[in-house]
Amino acid sequence: GEDVEQSLFLSVREGDSSVINCTYTDSSSTYLYWYKQEPGAGLQLLTYIFSNMDMKQDQRLTVLLNKKDKHLSLRIADTQTGDSAIYFCARPDTGFQKLVFGTGTRLLVSP
Amino acid sequence: SQTIHQWPATLVQPVGSPLSLECTVEGTSNPNLYWYRQAAGRGLQLLFYSVGIGQISSEVPQNLSASRPQDRQFILSSKKLLLSDSGFYLCAWKPGVTYNSPLHFGNGTRLTVT
Repeated sequence: GEDVEQSLFLSVREGDSSVINCTYTDSSSTYLYWYKQEPGAGLQLLTYIFSNMDMKQDQRLTVLLNKKDKHLSLRIADTQTGDSAIYFCARPDTGFQKLVFGTGTRLLVSP
Repeated sequence: SQTIHQWPATLVQPVGSPLSLECTVEGTSNPNLYWYRQAAGRGLQLLFYSVGIGQISSEVPQNLSASRPQDRQFILSSKKLLLSDSGFYLCAWKPGVTYNSPLHFGNGTRLTVT
């Protein structure tokens, strides 16, 4: 199958680290993506990782990939109130014409 | 650079009325184009996608249809709206000739059917 699953909700305090998790079923070599959706807006591509990598760091964002467990995570360091949004992980389907999205994790950052 | 435009931003329509949402992409040729719907601010449901002019793939049976009259134009339509058609509609594109490319999304249309 092509299921991509995420936890639904995460609440953190400003300044803490946030970790958003994602699991998937297909294991073909490909990119995996993280998108951010702010209220009332479209999805914004945040970062991505290729499946031959274990980790990718981009400023406050760290993506970790465990290929054996088919587990992807997005860590946001020093989380700010502006990071409050829904975060989606996504991967191409087997035909590489579409992206399969996770259910989305709503991150709430409190001051 | 490439940009995607989606309009209108918000729309309130009565049950039984027609619908037409438009999406255009600039700065690229032969893109793959997509319509998603998002209900209750949560998951994304792929409605239609297109890999070329006149080529439309439907993902779920429903009250909606899509058309691609020009290379960079994608239209979502309905002849008679239902209450269940309310939601947030997102258009997206990706380069058609590449695999492993991310999708790039428009700002969305909030449709409320009353």
